[in-house]
Amino acid sequence: DSGVTQTPKHLITATGQRVTLRCSPRSGDLSVYWYQQSLDQGLQFLIQYYNGEERAKGNILERFSAQQFPDLHSELNLSSLELGDSALYFCASTSRDSPYNEQFFGPGTRLTVL
Amino acid sequence: EDKVVQSPLSLVVHEGDTVTLNCSYEVTNFRSLLWYKQEKKAPTFLFMLTSSGIEKKSGRLSSILDKKELFSILNITATQTGDSAVYLCAVEGPYSGGSNYKLTFGKGTLLTVNP
Repeated sequence: DSGVTQTPKHLITATGQRVTLRCSPRSGDLSVYWYQQSLDQGLQFLIQYYNGEERAKGNILERFSAQQFPDLHSELNLSSLELGDSALYFCASTSRDSPYNEQFFGPGTRLTVL
Repeated sequence: EDKVVQSPLSLVVHEGDTVTLNCSYEVTNFRSLLWYKQEKKAPTFLFMLTSSGIEKKSGRLSSILDKKELFSILNITATQTGDSAVYLCAVEGPYSGGSNYKLTFGKGTLLTVNP
């Protein structure tokens, strides 16, 4: 158990819908990273927040957005969902403002878009 | 764009065999290379390498980085069925939009160890 929690574990929804994935980092960690893992693309970095501020952006679609709240939990919002958004979404946390040490991954949220 | 290529994509061995997993990369302003093991769910950290030629070891696993040739290998000796997993390589490089860094992952090597 990494200490990072994610809810929900599974989510099944229809195309065009909007969902919110939630992540609570390890106690004391200020950085949260979001990743998308699909079979064909592998693990792709989406976005990073550090202490409430956006710090780095990867291959995140405009239909997706994220935020980090004062209590340091983070939410990833996915809207106008398409079949291709079906994937495993991970968040990871570290104590520092850079992945220059190990990231602790949560168990992931499996999103299925029908 | 940063690129990480792992090979082989998949490997099936018998218990007791030794395996070598490869990771090559192209990244500007390289900072570190990390190896992760992913079983059913979340990746778990194995090693972080920043300097060429220095081997990191943890039990039967070891890894080394060659910054001149831009690759790393992960060795597993005396494999066990519990080593069956996807092994991911990731490289830390700068985020183009700012001064921070991000990880770029390879697609992984699926290792299956049969009894």
